[in-house]
Amino acid sequence: GIQVEQSPPDLILQEGANSTLRCNFSDSVNNLQWFHQNPWGQLINLFYIPSGTKQNGRLSATTVATERYSLLYISSSQTTDSGVYFCAVARNNDYKLSFGAGTTVTVRA
Amino acid sequence: DGGITQSPKYLFRKEGQNVTLSCEQNLNHDAMYWYRQDPGQGLRLIYYSQIVNDFQKGDIAEGYSVSREKKESFPLTVTSAQKNPTAFYLCASSPRVRDSLHFGNGTRLTVT
Repeated sequence: GIQVEQSPPDLILQEGANSTLRCNFSDSVNNLQWFHQNPWGQLINLFYIPSGTKQNGRLSATTVATERYSLLYISSSQTTDSGVYFCAVARNNDYKLSFGAGTTVTVRA
Repeated sequence: DGGITQSPKYLFRKEGQNVTLSCEQNLNHDAMYWYRQDPGQGLRLIYYSQIVNDFQKGDIAEGYSVSREKKESFPLTVTSAQKNPTAFYLCASSPRVRDSLHFGNGTRLTVT
């Protein structure tokens, strides 16, 4: 199956700092989504971004499909940004999303 | 409010018993999914359904069964054939397959 690698595995930030999370994938995709899982296990869809750039408040994402990677930017981080960020992708003509192992973000006050 | 409801939040069972996890959505989504999450790992797809009365195996379907008799409901049965059933189970839906996934709050199943 398609391989999804996220880096770094762990990230510790001071409140107010900016950060970049990376997602590399091993094949062409036409579906890429970013999720945030809070410490209670709830998963929230952040972006549906198979290509291009999108912004939502302090978060933005860029996917360069031809080079098989996506980046998630967190600006002015807050303690509520803590949790695990997952990237998930699906190949062209495939319905199944494959998830990476996630990046665990801890934002300290 | 529209959303996905999973129940119960915590479930405890003895080894050898089948158990059914509930998932209901009122988002009018066609597609529904079941994922399994083990500690420190990403999500793995168990089953998905594109439409009522149709479902397909995901990557780890062995020991699980599903039904999709109604658009709103997609229950998952964890059978005694599942060798390591203790996990966090997440149900999701999307308007159609390949659309943005929306998740329920999950059910933590412990089998002893």
